[in-house]
Amino acid sequence: DADVTQTPRNRITKTGKRIMLECSQTKGHDRMYWYRQDPGLGLQLIYYSFDVKDINKGEISDGYSVSRQAQAKFSLSLESAIPNQTALYFCATSAPVTGELFFGEGSRLTVL
Amino acid sequence: AQKITQTQPGMFVQEKEAVTLDCTYDTSDQSYGLFWYKQPSSGEMIFLIYQGSYDEQNATEGRYSLNFQKARKSANLVISASQLGDSAMYFCAMREATGRRALTFGSGTRLQVQP
Repeated sequence: DADVTQTPRNRITKTGKRIMLECSQTKGHDRMYWYRQDPGLGLQLIYYSFDVKDINKGEISDGYSVSRQAQAKFSLSLESAIPNQTALYFCATSAPVTGELFFGEGSRLTVL
Repeated sequence: AQKITQTQPGMFVQEKEAVTLDCTYDTSDQSYGLFWYKQPSSGEMIFLIYQGSYDEQNATEGRYSLNFQKARKSANLVISASQLGDSAMYFCAMREATGRRALTFGSGTRLQVQP
């Protein structure tokens, strides 16, 4: 089993719908992140969390919210999806010393 | 603010040859980490190599090596003996020393290995 698991892996939805992307990890890391990747581009930070009580915005948090339900679970919500939120979304955990990110497989979201 | 620049949108290399993917960075921190990730067409992000800013020797992992030139603020990835399976997007990234310690990514280089 993967150390970082994302669900769903693929989702097609319509403008205005609420969407939740879920992430769970078995690495035991405190720090978790949500990134977004637009086609042909690098990854941009949406939100990050150091523990269940510490959640922070990244560079592109507008239109998104998150919930850290437990050390192992970090979910990303789009309250009212819009087409320019069509992207590949990655959840990741961070190794405590080097800061290496361990990524989930990605969730491909299409908003029509 | 930290910034990562990858100036090669696409690269071609012949199978079995070596290739260098360029990465420059900008930071005012003295302590930082540099990473390279590979993203094949299937989409997952695969960690390749890490270099700490205080590491005196260049990092190596199998066929991957990181050519770290601190004064020039460059962290180029060298892939030796390219294989067809090396065809992918490659991202350079930098970890912040303090605060959120998130990785900042470059825009990537698409490498195509030709037989």
